This record gives sequence, C-alpha cells and structure tokens, in this order.
Amino acid sequence: KAGVTQTPRYLIKTRGQQVTLSCSPISGHRSVSWYQQTPGQGLQFLFEYFSETQRNKGNFPGRFSGRQFSNSRSEMNVSTLELGDSALYLCASSLSHGPNTGELFFGEGSRLTVL
Amino acid sequence: GQQVMQIPQYQHVQEGEDFTTYCNSSTTLSNIQWYKQRPGGHPVFLIQLVKSGEVKKQKRLTFQFGEAKKNSSLHITATQTTDVGTYFCAGPWGGSYIPTFGRGTSLIVHP
Repeated sequence: KAGVTQTPRYLIKTRGQQVTLSCSPISGHRSVSWYQQTPGQGLQFLFEYFSETQRNKGNFPGRFSGRQFSNSRSEMNVSTLELGDSALYLCASSLSHGPNTGELFFGEGSRLTVL
Repeated sequence: GQQVMQIPQYQHVQEGEDFTTYCNSSTTLSNIQWYKQRPGGHPVFLIQLVKSGEVKKQKRLTFQFGEAKKNSSLHITATQTTDVGTYFCAGPWGGSYIPTFGRGTSLIVHP
C-alpha cells in the first residue's frame, strides 16, 4: 500500500508570493491533517479535513488555507508569504477522525524556503 | 503554544547507555501517542497508550502511561546508533481530539 505522498518536496519562494502544497493520503484514509514544523516551534497543527470539510483549525492566520477533494486528496495554500513561513509542512492521514483518530501516517513533507 | 511539556530537549548518550524522555500534561488525557522522527525524515508512529498505568514494550523500548493519565515516558534500554532521532509525544490536549505534539526530545547516540 502506498504511503502518504506530498508534492513538491522542496520549493523556494520569495516574500509576497503564494504557494500551494499537495497531499495524497493513504488509500482508504479520509482524514487529512496538516502540520508546520520549525526548529523553534516544533510541530504545530494547521488544520484537519474529513469528507471535504474542515473539522479543526489551528492558531494560524488566514493566509493559511486548505481544502480537500472528493478523492480525499488535500491541498494547502499560503498566501502573501513571509520569511517566518519557512518550514517543513507535513501532511498526515488517518482512517478516521474524532476521538478515535488513532495513528497518524505522515508524508515526507514539503520543505518551503521563503527568501 | 505547546500544551505539553516534554523533557529533556536533548540527550547525549554513549552507545549502550539507557535513555528516558518524559511527557507531562496539566490535564487528564484520553490517550497518548509516541512518534519517532529520524534526522531529515518524517514522524513515524511508535505506539498509542490508552489505559491508566499502561505499560507496553517494543523490544528495547518501554512506554508507560501514568496512573492519573497526565504523564507518560519512553525508556530505551541499551541505546544503539539506530535509535538516533527525535521522539515526540502527542495527545489530544485542551478538549480537542487533534493530536498536539510536544517539542520532542532529540537523542544523540555516540558510538
């Protein structure tokens, strides 16, 4: 069974630009969560999608948005990039959501550098 | 900010020594998970603990969930260079079911 696939793996942008990251969950997984990982803040929860609906959102500004498609694939978008947005963006899928979310399966991540 | 304290932040050990990392919460947790992230890699699920006082073992790794379900620990016996990485605990803190991650403990094993 294929794992969680994230694209692109690496990208470089300049301040003010916008970026879209993609995540394909494990087949059959309907929940997709996004996390931002930086050396200073660790793993910070961005948002979670289940059945094309955003179920939870972390404490990030509105420049961070996402969506989920009917095939469970998810995208996240960051607009008006700032230097502080440089991070590893991790996508994780799970079979279900809610109190029994269970194990998270992470992708390799998309490493974003903002210059 | 982080809602769980994980200590220590870093731990250097000589190969063969033991290692322990601790996770502490001010609130009772319904469950706690542990993940390992190798340098340059992504977090990989190790285990989930659910019951009060639960102890689970995976070869040289021993996981414990406190009686009050507010703390947890991961103990590695006789570390090996393959144990190098950052160990994270994650739990549904603050009334949410979303796994919130601790800052992690980076284990460095010197041969």
